[in-house]
Amino acid sequence: DTEVTQTPKHLVMGMTNKKSLKCEQHMGHRAMYWYKQKAKKPPELMFVYSYEKLSINESVPSRFSPECPNSSLLNLHLHALQPEDSALYLCASSQDGGRQETQYFGPGTRLLVL
Amino acid sequence: GQNIDQPTEMTATEGAIVQINCTYQTSGFNGLFWYQQHAGEAPTFLSYNVLDGLEEKGRFSSFLSRSKGYSYLLLKELQMKDSASYLCAAYNFNKFYFGSGTKLNVKP
Repeated sequence: DTEVTQTPKHLVMGMTNKKSLKCEQHMGHRAMYWYKQKAKKPPELMFVYSYEKLSINESVPSRFSPECPNSSLLNLHLHALQPEDSALYLCASSQDGGRQETQYFGPGTRLLVL
Repeated sequence: GQNIDQPTEMTATEGAIVQINCTYQTSGFNGLFWYQQHAGEAPTFLSYNVLDGLEEKGRFSSFLSRSKGYSYLLLKELQMKDSASYLCAAYNFNKFYFGSGTKLNVKP
């Protein structure tokens, strides 16, 4: 099973809302990632969790708040977003973030901020 | 800094062979990955190279030359379903540096 699941598939929110994106994998992977992808652009790394600890934050604004409750789950809490934050948010996982790693992507959450 | 270059768009005919090139300049390097992404969908893993040479997986092959900072993805016996974007990504401990992707159009 090489599946990463994400919910919801689509999300529309206002700039004053608080919402959360969820990601789950049951491959025993210990590294999990959040990416943001705008249309016709490559994915941009946002956060990396390794063994449930935040290891990389790519200078992401604080209105995005990641959380890793356990090794299978990764959340992204959203608050006071801007319209320019509308994008496809991709979760990925890999074995442990080591030297030779394949990242497996979830289907993404398409977010629209109004 | 990180710099990954690939052509923006390519067109090829069904049944043909196409080669998508990628050049990279990164501080630190642990491997070169290729992903396929259909419009509106997540990237799916195709292949990766850590050492110089050719890796073959069915209709897809990928080549790496670390000294030249160069890779290519070779697609054989093209099918219509191969119409997608192909992303080259250089990997360096936890981080993938993605190219902008090459949009491949397969025509009958």
